[in-house]
Amino acid sequence: QSVLAQPASVSGSPGESITISCTGTSYDVGGYDLVSWYQQYPGRAPKLMVYEVTKRPSGVSDRFSGSKYVNTAYLTITGLQAGDEANYYCCSYTGLGTYVIFGGGTKLTVL
Amino acid sequence: QVQLRESGPGLVRPSETLSLTCTVSGASISRNYWSWIRQPPGKGLEWIGYFDYSGATNYHPSLKSRLTMFMHMSQNQISLRLTSVTAADTALYFCARTNDDSDFFDLWGQGIQVTVSS
Repeated sequence: QSVLAQPASVSGSPGESITISCTGTSYDVGGYDLVSWYQQYPGRAPKLMVYEVTKRPSGVSDRFSGSKYVNTAYLTITGLQAGDEANYYCCSYTGLGTYVIFGGGTKLTVL
Repeated sequence: QVQLRESGPGLVRPSETLSLTCTVSGASISRNYWSWIRQPPGKGLEWIGYFDYSGATNYHPSLKSRLTMFMHMSQNQISLRLTSVTAADTALYFCARTNDDSDFFDLWGQGIQVTVSS
């Protein structure tokens, strides 16, 4: 599998909650609790939002949370704000020789 | 405060060698893993390879034959050399500090755009 499967786009209104899925296989997402999520504004560097499936780095809002079920990881954003509008990428360790594999990215639009 | 900054040419001709450098400030490169990650225009992220604090490297299998990463300890820099480039190597290249216990990237450089074109 070359990339993890993410929806191309999701949208929500300010104050609402959204969830982005990231589907892999038992060789990556399902096999290890080593999923991370990144927020990227166009032309900017990605920013780590979640690591080890559920953990947040210091300074990241608790409106961002991660979870996983079998081969699919999820990033949930509650209380949507205009500043959350960005691209989001998941990433997982893989046992198939490429160290890590990224998702194709999801564009979040705040309506 | 740890900062990473990529540098190098923005334009490389097809079949030539791409050389990039990542200068790290606020941390020693001998204490972490360091990765290069790239992003083709309008596309997603692709891990290229990492360099660990022991000097060992791990490269993406698809690039292994063309890629070399190395350290300049005295200058606290990590460098990348990619030979025989094609248009498919056109991308925004990032260096990133890599957590080797849990395989995530916690600090990124601003990135450098590299275009392969004659």
